Amino acid sequence: DAKTTQPNSMESNEEEPVHLPCNHSTISGTDYIHWYRQLPSQGPEYVIHGLTSNVNNRMASLAIAEDRKSSTLILHRATLRDAAVYYCILRSGGSNYKLTFGKGTLLTVNP
Amino acid sequence: GAVVSQHPSRVICKSGTSVKIECRSLDFQATTMFWYRQFPKQSLMLMATSNEGSKATYEQGVEKDKFLINHASLTLSTLTVTSAHPEDSSFYICSARAGTPGNTIYFGEGSWLTVV
Repeated sequence: DAKTTQPNSMESNEEEPVHLPCNHSTISGTDYIHWYRQLPSQGPEYVIHGLTSNVNNRMASLAIAEDRKSSTLILHRATLRDAAVYYCILRSGGSNYKLTFGKGTLLTVNP
Repeated sequence: GAVVSQHPSRVICKSGTSVKIECRSLDFQATTMFWYRQFPKQSLMLMATSNEGSKATYEQGVEKDKFLINHASLTLSTLTVTSAHPEDSSFYICSARAGTPGNTIYFGEGSWLTVV
């Protein structure tokens, strides 16, 4: 799987937007960009995924660069419950559905 | 989103015994399930891919005879840690592929294994 690069940690304030960056310069044309988050002692939670176009759902938005070499997960109004490790993962578009986790970004939300 | 449930959430076993962890997809059929292990302050490490009705595919370095995986139905996969040792103590997490929409992968809540 192509590799992603994320900052080790980020900090935000409650009720402010958060932009979590992810670089994936070696992405291939069929790789999907997935975001998951993990709270302590819990399994990862699906957040959002996309291929080329920007995506929105009730949890977040995913902005994908035109060249697809980077993407940004946007939390529109951070809450204390958004504090977690956020993982940006590339998954190939074939029948291999394996997700390979990197170290992710630890997001701290300040009250 | 779809629900994946693991049981037990916590288990303590004695060294040398075997322990089984179940992973169920509650509201969808999962032809493919995955098992991960996570040590404290580390990321998830994929152990194996489990396809319903066939043998699991193990990642390099994972002992298939120690970590037995069975995926006998479209909603249940089990991981059995055989002859457990203290170094097997970890957080074990399963995930399942929901066919539609978009083949999204959903994760269970994880199972803490402590071997004493």
